[in-house]
Amino acid sequence: DADVTQTPRNRITKTGKRIMLECSQTKGHDRMYWYRQDPGLGLRLIYYSFDVKDINKGEISDGYSVSRQAQAKFSLSLESAIPNQTALYFCATSPEGGANVLTFGAGSRLTVL
Amino acid sequence: QKEVEQNSGPLSVPEGAIASLNCTYSDRGSQSFFWYRQYSGKSPELIMFIYSNGDKEDGRFTAQLNKASQYVSLLIRDSQPSDSATYLCAFGRNDMRFGAGTRLTVKP
Repeated sequence: DADVTQTPRNRITKTGKRIMLECSQTKGHDRMYWYRQDPGLGLRLIYYSFDVKDINKGEISDGYSVSRQAQAKFSLSLESAIPNQTALYFCATSPEGGANVLTFGAGSRLTVL
Repeated sequence: QKEVEQNSGPLSVPEGAIASLNCTYSDRGSQSFFWYRQYSGKSPELIMFIYSNGDKEDGRFTAQLNKASQYVSLLIRDSQPSDSATYLCAFGRNDMRFGAGTRLTVKP
């Protein structure tokens, strides 16, 4: 099984729908992140969390919310999806301390029509 | 605002050549700098990181950091077709920021 698991891997939805992307990890890492990737723009940080009670906004948090349900679970929600949220979303984890090396999930491709 | 700029590419080199990838960053307080490789349709994976000025070598890969110039580079020696991928530089302490990536193609 993958160390960082994202579900769903692919999702097509309509404008205005609520969408949740889920991430779970078996790495035992405290830190978890959500990024989105768009062609030509690289990875942009949406939210990150250093433990269950810690949530921090990243570069592009507007239109998104997150929930850290447990050390191993970090969910990203789009309350009312819009077409420009069509992107590839990555969850990542890293251990506390050290060089902050990220381990990524396989990605969730979201299309908003 | 932390920003990372990479040479946009695409970069094409012949097999066996040296590929040079460059990145500049805006945050003088950053301590660690990372290079990730991303194959098409896959997630990024770490190649190496560097936090001291100078060079750091790992096999065919060498990362170079110049904090005064806010510049980090990655050299790939003896490039192979399997090195064809997008290379992302990143920096940050708590909130890792990535460049847009440079697409490298190594031609046999």
